Amino acid sequence: GAVVSQHPSWVICKSGTSVKIECRSLDFQATTMFWYRQFPKQSLMLMATSNEGSKATYEQGVEKDKFLINHASLTLSTLTVTSAHPEDSSFYICSSRGRVDTEAFFGQGTRLTVV
Amino acid sequence: AQSVSQHNHHVILSEAASLELGCNYSYGGTVNLFWYVQYPGQHLQLLLKYFSGDPLVKGIKGFEAEFIKSKFSFNLRKPSVQWSDTAEYFCAVNAGGYQKVTFGIGTKLQVIP
Repeated sequence: GAVVSQHPSWVICKSGTSVKIECRSLDFQATTMFWYRQFPKQSLMLMATSNEGSKATYEQGVEKDKFLINHASLTLSTLTVTSAHPEDSSFYICSSRGRVDTEAFFGQGTRLTVV
Repeated sequence: AQSVSQHNHHVILSEAASLELGCNYSYGGTVNLFWYVQYPGQHLQLLLKYFSGDPLVKGIKGFEAEFIKSKFSFNLRKPSVQWSDTAEYFCAVNAGGYQKVTFGIGTKLQVIP
């Protein structure tokens, strides 16, 4: 299957700082990228959906000013957690898809710990 | 809105036992259905998918799933599990024509040698 690379795989940051997570589709053009958050013992919760060149669509309850998503090209999307707090500590996963009627491919995930 | 329900959160089986993991979705229109697997320490991988056609879908590693439209179900099956099948399994649905993919809560499968 297609390869999606997510970086970094883990990060520890101080409360109040911002963290950027990158998601790259290495061998296909990702028309759509998804950002998920996974809490322990819970499912993947979709945070936002983004299409290349347009603003992301955020799910209800997700603060768009806190979780900034940029999808500047067909191979790169970034999620920036601004002014991170300990409650933002979680596992963040990106996913990319080409056409609407194809499956999504997942990155390795990023474990964020805010201290 | 689309949603997915997985009935079994934690399943423990002995090797060679048969497996069936339940998945039900709620959406009245055309859907695309997926099962993803996450092995310990690894990222999510596609196990199998249904878009259209034969409702019995064969996936990798001997897994299969059957789409029963009248029951809004897409249960995952394997006749004989192996220790290496120990993983977490996620059912997912994508309402036809929409971008959003919604996941179930996941089922942790533990296979005992």
